[in-house]
Amino acid sequence: AQSVTQLGSHVSVSAGALVLLRCNYSSSVPPYLFWYVQYPNQGLQLLLKYTSAATLVKGINGFEAEFKKSETSFHLTKPSAHMSDAAEYFCAVSGTGGTSYGKLTFGQGTILTVHP
Amino acid sequence: ETGVTQTPRHLVMGMTNKKSLKCEQHLGHNAMYWYKQSAKKPLELMFVYNFKEQTENNSVPSRFSPECPNSSHLFLHLHTLQPEDSALYLCASSQGLADTQYFGPGTRLTVL
Repeated sequence: AQSVTQLGSHVSVSAGALVLLRCNYSSSVPPYLFWYVQYPNQGLQLLLKYTSAATLVKGINGFEAEFKKSETSFHLTKPSAHMSDAAEYFCAVSGTGGTSYGKLTFGQGTILTVHP
Repeated sequence: ETGVTQTPRHLVMGMTNKKSLKCEQHLGHNAMYWYKQSAKKPLELMFVYNFKEQTENNSVPSRFSPECPNSSHLFLHLHTLQPEDSALYLCASSQGLADTQYFGPGTRLTVL
Protein backbone atom coordinates (compact mmCIF):
# COMPACT_ATOMS: atom_id res chain seq x y z
CA ALA A 1 0.00 0.00 0.00
CA GLN A 2 1.13 3.54 -0.63
CA SER A 3 -0.13 6.99 0.20
CA VAL A 4 0.87 10.63 -0.02
CA THR A 5 0.10 13.50 2.34
CA GLN A 6 0.65 17.06 1.31
CA LEU A 7 0.70 19.38 4.30
CA GLY A 8 -1.22 22.54 3.55
CA SER A 9 -3.82 22.76 0.82
CA HIS A 10 -2.93 26.43 0.26
CA VAL A 11 0.46 28.15 0.51
CA SER A 12 0.92 31.85 -0.05
CA VAL A 13 4.29 33.56 -0.55
CA SER A 14 5.58 36.89 -1.76
CA ALA A 15 7.46 37.15 -5.03
CA GLY A 16 11.15 36.56 -4.32
CA ALA A 17 10.49 34.54 -1.16
CA LEU A 18 11.33 30.90 -0.54
CA VAL A 19 8.79 28.34 -1.68
CA LEU A 20 8.40 25.21 0.46
CA LEU A 21 5.72 22.65 -0.33
CA ARG A 22 5.62 19.65 1.97
CA CYS A 23 5.06 16.05 0.99
CA ASN A 24 5.23 12.90 3.11
CA TYR A 25 4.75 9.46 1.68
CA SER A 26 4.10 5.93 2.79
CA SER A 27 5.19 2.95 0.77
CA SER A 28 5.83 -0.71 1.53
CA VAL A 29 8.47 -0.91 -1.21
CA PRO A 30 11.21 1.52 -2.27
CA PRO A 31 9.35 4.34 -3.94
CA TYR A 32 9.68 6.53 -6.95
CA LEU A 33 8.54 10.06 -6.10
CA PHE A 34 7.28 12.82 -8.35
CA TRP A 35 6.19 16.43 -8.25
CA TYR A 36 3.77 17.63 -10.90
CA VAL A 37 2.40 21.12 -11.49
CA GLN A 38 -1.02 21.97 -12.90
CA TYR A 39 -1.85 25.39 -14.29
CA PRO A 40 -5.52 26.37 -14.65
CA ASN A 41 -7.39 24.43 -17.33
CA GLN A 42 -4.35 22.34 -18.15
CA GLY A 43 -3.06 18.85 -17.51
CA LEU A 44 -0.22 17.90 -15.20
CA GLN A 45 3.35 18.78 -16.08
CA LEU A 46 6.28 16.91 -14.55
CA LEU A 47 8.51 19.13 -12.41
CA LEU A 48 10.95 16.52 -11.16
CA LYS A 49 11.26 12.91 -10.09
CA TYR A 50 13.26 10.74 -7.69
CA THR A 51 14.13 7.25 -8.88
CA SER A 52 16.71 6.08 -6.31
CA ALA A 53 19.72 7.94 -7.66
CA ALA A 54 20.78 11.24 -6.06
CA THR A 55 18.62 12.23 -3.09
CA LEU A 56 18.61 15.90 -4.12
CA VAL A 57 16.71 16.20 -7.36
CA LYS A 58 16.69 19.27 -9.54
CA GLY A 59 13.76 19.97 -11.81
CA ILE A 60 12.47 22.55 -14.20
CA ASN A 61 11.80 26.22 -13.42
CA GLY A 62 14.32 26.30 -10.56
CA PHE A 63 12.53 23.77 -8.35
CA GLU A 64 14.26 21.02 -6.43
CA ALA A 65 13.29 18.36 -3.92
CA GLU A 66 15.17 16.23 -1.44
CA PHE A 67 14.34 12.62 -0.70
CA LYS A 68 14.71 11.89 3.02
CA LYS A 69 14.07 8.24 3.73
CA SER A 70 14.30 8.63 7.51
CA GLU A 71 11.58 11.26 7.45
CA THR A 72 9.62 9.70 4.56
CA SER A 73 9.54 13.14 3.02
CA PHE A 74 10.00 14.66 -0.42
CA HIS A 75 9.53 18.39 0.06
CA LEU A 76 9.61 20.75 -2.92
CA THR A 77 11.55 24.02 -2.71
CA LYS A 78 12.44 27.01 -4.82
CA PRO A 79 14.71 29.76 -3.49
CA SER A 80 12.84 32.67 -5.04
CA ALA A 81 9.19 32.58 -6.06
CA HIS A 82 8.03 34.09 -9.31
CA MET A 83 4.52 35.20 -10.17
CA SER A 84 4.41 32.51 -12.86
CA ASP A 85 4.85 29.81 -10.20
CA ALA A 86 1.25 30.29 -9.08
CA ALA A 87 -0.42 26.94 -9.75
CA GLU A 88 -1.45 23.72 -8.04
CA TYR A 89 1.31 21.28 -7.14
CA PHE A 90 0.89 17.53 -6.72
CA CYS A 91 3.22 15.08 -5.05
CA ALA A 92 2.93 11.46 -6.17
CA VAL A 93 4.42 8.10 -5.26
CA SER A 94 4.86 5.03 -7.41
CA GLY A 95 5.88 1.63 -6.17
CA THR A 96 8.88 -0.16 -7.62
CA GLY A 97 7.43 -3.57 -6.96
CA GLY A 98 4.51 -5.57 -5.65
CA THR A 99 0.91 -4.50 -6.18
CA SER A 100 1.85 -0.82 -6.34
CA TYR A 101 4.23 -1.32 -9.26
CA GLY A 102 3.75 1.45 -11.80
CA LYS A 103 0.70 2.91 -10.05
CA LEU A 104 0.83 6.59 -9.24
CA THR A 105 -0.85 7.66 -6.01
CA PHE A 106 -1.33 11.41 -5.72
CA GLY A 107 -1.60 13.74 -2.79
CA GLN A 108 -4.47 16.19 -2.43
CA GLY A 109 -2.53 19.00 -4.03
CA THR A 110 -1.25 22.35 -2.77
CA ILE A 111 -2.35 25.59 -4.35
CA LEU A 112 0.51 28.06 -4.44
CA THR A 113 -0.34 31.76 -4.53
CA VAL A 114 2.39 34.30 -5.21
CA HIS A 115 1.81 37.91 -4.16
CA PRO A 116 3.61 40.83 -5.82
CA GLU B 1 0.99 17.19 -32.69
CA THR B 2 3.34 16.34 -29.88
CA GLY B 3 2.94 14.78 -26.47
CA VAL B 4 -0.46 13.62 -25.32
CA THR B 5 -3.60 15.11 -26.83
CA GLN B 6 -7.19 14.77 -25.68
CA THR B 7 -10.46 15.57 -27.40
CA PRO B 8 -12.83 17.12 -26.78
CA ARG B 9 -11.48 19.60 -24.24
CA HIS B 10 -14.98 20.30 -22.91
CA LEU B 11 -18.08 18.13 -22.97
CA VAL B 12 -21.57 18.67 -21.61
CA MET B 13 -23.91 15.71 -21.67
CA GLY B 14 -27.21 14.60 -20.26
CA MET B 15 -27.55 11.51 -18.12
CA THR B 16 -29.04 9.51 -20.99
CA ASN B 17 -26.43 10.44 -23.59
CA LYS B 18 -23.60 8.30 -24.92
CA LYS B 19 -20.32 10.01 -25.63
CA SER B 20 -16.65 9.11 -25.97
CA LEU B 21 -13.42 10.75 -24.88
CA LYS B 22 -10.35 10.31 -27.03
CA CYS B 23 -6.69 10.31 -26.07
CA GLU B 24 -3.73 10.05 -28.43
CA GLN B 25 -0.07 9.91 -27.51
CA HIS B 26 2.73 10.78 -29.93
CA LEU B 27 5.58 9.65 -27.68
CA GLY B 28 5.94 6.02 -28.74
CA HIS B 29 4.88 4.84 -25.29
CA ASN B 30 3.44 1.44 -24.46
CA ALA B 31 1.29 2.22 -21.42
CA MET B 32 -1.74 4.50 -21.21
CA TYR B 33 -3.91 5.61 -18.30
CA TRP B 34 -7.21 7.28 -17.47
CA TYR B 35 -7.49 9.41 -14.34
CA LYS B 36 -10.44 11.28 -12.83
CA GLN B 37 -9.84 14.63 -11.12
CA SER B 38 -12.76 15.87 -9.05
CA ALA B 39 -12.90 19.01 -6.99
CA LYS B 40 -11.40 18.58 -3.53
CA LYS B 41 -10.35 14.96 -4.18
CA PRO B 42 -6.99 13.49 -5.17
CA LEU B 43 -6.52 12.29 -8.70
CA GLU B 44 -8.01 8.83 -9.02
CA LEU B 45 -6.53 6.20 -11.28
CA MET B 46 -9.31 4.59 -13.31
CA PHE B 47 -7.76 2.29 -15.90
CA VAL B 48 -4.32 1.18 -17.04
CA TYR B 49 -3.43 -0.35 -20.38
CA ASN B 50 -0.05 -1.85 -21.20
CA PHE B 51 0.62 -2.96 -24.78
CA LYS B 52 -3.16 -2.62 -25.45
CA GLU B 53 -4.06 -4.98 -22.61
CA GLN B 54 -5.96 -3.71 -19.60
CA THR B 55 -3.91 -4.28 -16.49
CA GLU B 56 -5.88 -2.24 -13.98
CA ASN B 57 -9.54 -1.43 -13.40
CA ASN B 58 -9.73 0.51 -10.18
CA SER B 59 -13.30 -0.51 -9.31
CA VAL B 60 -14.73 1.87 -11.88
CA PRO B 61 -18.50 1.71 -12.52
CA SER B 62 -19.50 -0.03 -15.73
CA ARG B 63 -20.97 3.19 -17.14
CA PHE B 64 -17.33 3.97 -17.98
CA SER B 65 -15.99 1.66 -20.67
CA PRO B 66 -12.38 2.00 -21.86
CA GLU B 67 -11.03 0.91 -25.21
CA CYS B 68 -7.42 0.72 -26.35
CA PRO B 69 -7.23 -0.27 -30.03
CA ASN B 70 -3.46 0.29 -30.20
CA SER B 71 -0.67 1.67 -28.04
CA SER B 72 -1.20 5.21 -29.32
CA HIS B 73 -4.94 5.58 -28.77
CA LEU B 74 -7.16 5.29 -25.75
CA PHE B 75 -10.89 5.93 -25.53
CA LEU B 76 -13.30 6.27 -22.66
CA HIS B 77 -16.88 5.49 -23.63
CA LEU B 78 -19.51 7.09 -21.42
CA HIS B 79 -23.17 6.14 -21.01
CA THR B 80 -25.91 6.87 -18.49
CA LEU B 81 -23.60 8.99 -16.36
CA GLN B 82 -24.54 10.68 -13.10
CA PRO B 83 -24.00 14.31 -12.11
CA GLU B 84 -21.28 13.19 -9.67
CA ASP B 85 -19.28 11.97 -12.68
CA SER B 86 -18.66 15.59 -13.63
CA ALA B 87 -14.89 16.06 -13.42
CA LEU B 88 -11.70 16.60 -15.37
CA TYR B 89 -10.67 13.37 -17.07
CA LEU B 90 -6.96 13.11 -17.67
CA CYS B 91 -5.14 10.73 -19.95
CA ALA B 92 -1.48 9.86 -19.46
CA SER B 93 1.11 7.66 -21.11
CA SER B 94 4.47 6.19 -20.17
CA GLN B 95 7.14 4.11 -21.83
CA GLY B 96 6.62 1.27 -19.38
CA LEU B 97 4.49 0.82 -16.28
CA ALA B 98 7.20 2.07 -13.91
CA ASP B 99 8.28 4.98 -16.08
CA THR B 100 7.35 8.64 -15.84
CA GLN B 101 3.81 9.40 -16.87
CA TYR B 102 3.09 12.29 -19.22
CA PHE B 103 -0.34 13.85 -19.08
CA GLY B 104 -2.69 15.34 -21.62
CA PRO B 105 -4.61 18.58 -21.03
CA GLY B 106 -7.76 16.77 -19.95
CA THR B 107 -11.43 16.78 -20.90
CA ARG B 108 -13.70 18.83 -18.65
CA LEU B 109 -16.93 16.79 -18.42
CA THR B 110 -20.19 18.19 -17.10
CA VAL B 111 -23.14 15.84 -16.63
CA LEU B 112 -26.51 17.55 -16.38
